[in-house]
Amino acid sequence: QSVLTQPPSVSAAPGQKVTISCSGSSSNIGNNYVSWYQHLPGTAPKLLIYDNNRRPSGIPDRFSGSKSGTSATLGITGLQTGDEADYYCGTWDSSLSPGQVFGGGTKLTVL
Amino acid sequence: QVQLQESGPGLVKPPETLSLTCTVSGGSISSHYWSWIRQPPGKGLEWIGYIYYSGITNYNPSLKSRVTMSVDTSKNQFSLRLTSVTAADTAVYYCARDTAAAGFAWGVWGRGTTVTVSS
Repeated sequence: QSVLTQPPSVSAAPGQKVTISCSGSSSNIGNNYVSWYQHLPGTAPKLLIYDNNRRPSGIPDRFSGSKSGTSATLGITGLQTGDEADYYCGTWDSSLSPGQVFGGGTKLTVL
Repeated sequence: QVQLQESGPGLVKPPETLSLTCTVSGGSISSHYWSWIRQPPGKGLEWIGYIYYSGITNYNPSLKSRVTMSVDTSKNQFSLRLTSVTAADTAVYYCARDTAAAGFAWGVWGRGTTVTVSS
């Protein structure tokens, strides 16, 4: 059971837009920065978004991040078949047992 | 461009100790946080802990009693030791480096190494 809750799967057609939610609490998302990762099987995870809404160099602006209260959202526009992957949110948890936490992951299918 | 490469045994017997090393190339290990993250089969990512280049560590509370991380700046390497392993420690283990950010984010990753715990 992950500390951060993500939908197990989402799907959309090529060219469309999709959003992936990440729900937490005041001890994690509510008071810390959120990052998002893309993970294709057999490869290294890739950082897509950090500090809630900032993109590393080389990440296209089709990917966006936002945060409101204790939830965060990853948005992907202009879906491509190459976007089909697992997506994870991550943040710091400042509870009695502090540490980095990840969501359970969301499988994106591009139909 | 910084690259990370994990190395270590692919098979570990319970209840022995899992030992992995991450070699950093294309950049210095200094002035960064370095992390170990794993993914058990069919499951999501799990943060194991991080080590700062100065040697300061922070471990996942659920693994803290079994984890030790160290850094060797002369070799540009950092390492993970996980004691008393069980089948539940079977996973792909990744090493990662932080990115310049206000919060923790892992911007450079190794390709991962599969570790199977089995007798």
